[in-house]
Amino acid sequence: DIQMTQSPSTLSASVGDGVTITCRASQSVGGWLAWYQQKPGKVPKVLIYKASNLEGGVPSRFSGVGYGTEFTLTISSLQPDDFASYYCQHYMDDSPWTFGQGTRVEMK
Amino acid sequence: QVQLQESGPGLVKPSQTLSLTCTVSDGSISSGGYHWSWIRQAAGKGLEWIGCIPTSGYTNRNPSLKSRVDISVDTLKNQFSLRLTSVTAADTAVYYCAAYREGGGGVGSWGQGTLVTVSS
Repeated sequence: DIQMTQSPSTLSASVGDGVTITCRASQSVGGWLAWYQQKPGKVPKVLIYKASNLEGGVPSRFSGVGYGTEFTLTISSLQPDDFASYYCQHYMDDSPWTFGQGTRVEMK
Repeated sequence: QVQLQESGPGLVKPSQTLSLTCTVSDGSISSGGYHWSWIRQAAGKGLEWIGCIPTSGYTNRNPSLKSRVDISVDTLKNQFSLRLTSVTAADTAVYYCAAYREGGGGVGSWGQGTLVTVSS
């Protein structure tokens, strides 16, 4: 089974900072990777799908890159609404889909 | 996008079976286009994918839960369901139903989540 490892687990940053979260797969997942944002007590929402496609309505300060085993989510200029937890998930066919353990972005 | 709503007991006794249903609206489950899925989240923990099923096809399940999980689709009722057998306190979590878009679009729709507590 494919394991997804995110780093860091917690990230402290200030409004206006650029931040990057990394997600590594234990074997190739091609481009079948999504990024989700979740705020406390809320339902997660998709930000990025197929590694680099921005979901409709998601601000352009979010971007995703990667293929195979290494992926990154970047927030170009952190906004107050972005303090949340972020999860990657692969969804490659013929393999159980797996979430990363999550990255909490907190205010410095 | 389809709309999803979970329903089922909020309290289940240890060793019993957890059963949840997700009702799909603003779309027909038989039309395809989605993988119908269950995801859970224990308090203060991350998201855990339980499994999914396309409208027709095989069920893909989390290996750590595989022997206890059954996911099924009822096209007549426009619902899909989760059964998790032999539950323990470790199965206490918020359970979400979700619709993954075919073609790799990730989760397009989520239910609001329902808390299931396993306790005697």
